[in-house]
Amino acid sequence: DAKTTQPNSMESNEEEPVHLPCNHSTISGTDYIHWYRQLPSQGPEYVIHGLTSNVNNRMASLAIAEDRKSSTLILHRATLRDAAVYYCILRNTGNQFYFGTGTSLTVIP
Amino acid sequence: DTEVTQTPKHLVMGMTNKKSLKCEQHMGHRAMYWYKQKAKKPPELMFVYSYEKLSINESVPSRFSPECPNSSLLNLHLHALQPEDSALYLCASSRPRGTANEKLFFGSGTQLSVL
Repeated sequence: DAKTTQPNSMESNEEEPVHLPCNHSTISGTDYIHWYRQLPSQGPEYVIHGLTSNVNNRMASLAIAEDRKSSTLILHRATLRDAAVYYCILRNTGNQFYFGTGTSLTVIP
Repeated sequence: DTEVTQTPKHLVMGMTNKKSLKCEQHMGHRAMYWYKQKAKKPPELMFVYSYEKLSINESVPSRFSPECPNSSLLNLHLHALQPEDSALYLCASSRPRGTANEKLFFGSGTQLSVL
């Protein structure tokens, strides 16, 4: 099964944009790219997902490389509430969602 | 209702006990999942049910026994667990792939301690 790799941690200043990278070089043509985030003592929360094209929603944007071997989650203006562990996940045709190692985002006031 | 409800929130059990974790959703989702999460690690997929049938078992030891009695409920039966099984157990549900809102909805988990 395809795997994802992410930096262990990143920092951002409040109200600045944040770019969280993810590598998924073994992705198959039918795998969807999902991003979730997890706050302490809570279950993961959906952020965004896509297949080939870039996606925008009220929380974030997802930029997918043309070869689909990497993607970037973009938070346009980081707030203190965005401090969390962000997971890049591949969803295959068998309803399997495999979590990457995650990036712990620290937002500095 | 966009919630996945898990009970209990906390559970302490001995290695000879039998206990069950419960998960419930009323979003009409026909895929349900069990994940295990150790501290400071990502969730690991354990089981997937699709239309109330077990479709994925990620080589989980038989001391964990899942059950999906109907489209809204998912149970995880525990028996003869080991201390290393102590973890946060997360339940999730989703709609079929490719549909609108195919995202995973997670419960807040059951924190399990095995003594």
